[in-house]
Amino acid sequence: AQTVTQSQPEMSVQEAETVTLSCTYDTSESDYYLFWYKQPPSRQMILVIRQEAYKQQNATENRFSVNFQKAAKSFSLKISDSQLGDAAMYFCASTNTGKLIFGQGTTLQVKP
Amino acid sequence: DTGVSQNPRHKITKRGQNVTFRCDPISEHNRLYWYRQTLGQGPEFLTYFQNEAQLEKSRLLSDRFSAERPKGSFSTLEIQRTEQGDSAMYLCASSSPWEGYNEQFFGPGTRLTVL
Repeated sequence: AQTVTQSQPEMSVQEAETVTLSCTYDTSESDYYLFWYKQPPSRQMILVIRQEAYKQQNATENRFSVNFQKAAKSFSLKISDSQLGDAAMYFCASTNTGKLIFGQGTTLQVKP
Repeated sequence: DTGVSQNPRHKITKRGQNVTFRCDPISEHNRLYWYRQTLGQGPEFLTYFQNEAQLEKSRLLSDRFSAERPKGSFSTLEIQRTEQGDSAMYLCASSSPWEGYNEQFFGPGTRLTVL
């Protein structure tokens, strides 16, 4: 069975600084996908970034990038130049069959 | 099409009552998923459909829960004889074969409170 673990319940970052959110996962599948989703307070979940396991190159989306370490089963999210609008709960998730398996989430606070 | 929609957004009910939620996916998304999210936790998978067919159900989906997608478009999730432990946010998501089903788009959720 797939599992996803986020060991940081809360993180904080100063506006314009960089922060890294951690995620580890476990799967016996060779073909899978990893995601980071953002859930602002009382707002819906949106996809931040995704990584295909077969790709060695780390995904990037503007200020968001990942550090995908396949052997270590680690998938961290780096947010550069943090903005107040980045404050939200961030979920790491994995899938190989369609259904998403989510971690427990990390609440990110951005300080002005 | 502006995205996945869910109705109602909030539902307050008394223990023992039945409730039904509706999800309208993005057009041409033939996969539809239901998740449950309790406060401060990550969403947990409940079930998903490809067109009309319900392809997988989680063990979390007890006999009191039933989901349907009769015409392969919108879906309903019914909870019978609600219990206080059913209080949660119920999320719906949809995905498209054009993306290999790998990107799921979420709706705003239905928040259920069972008194």
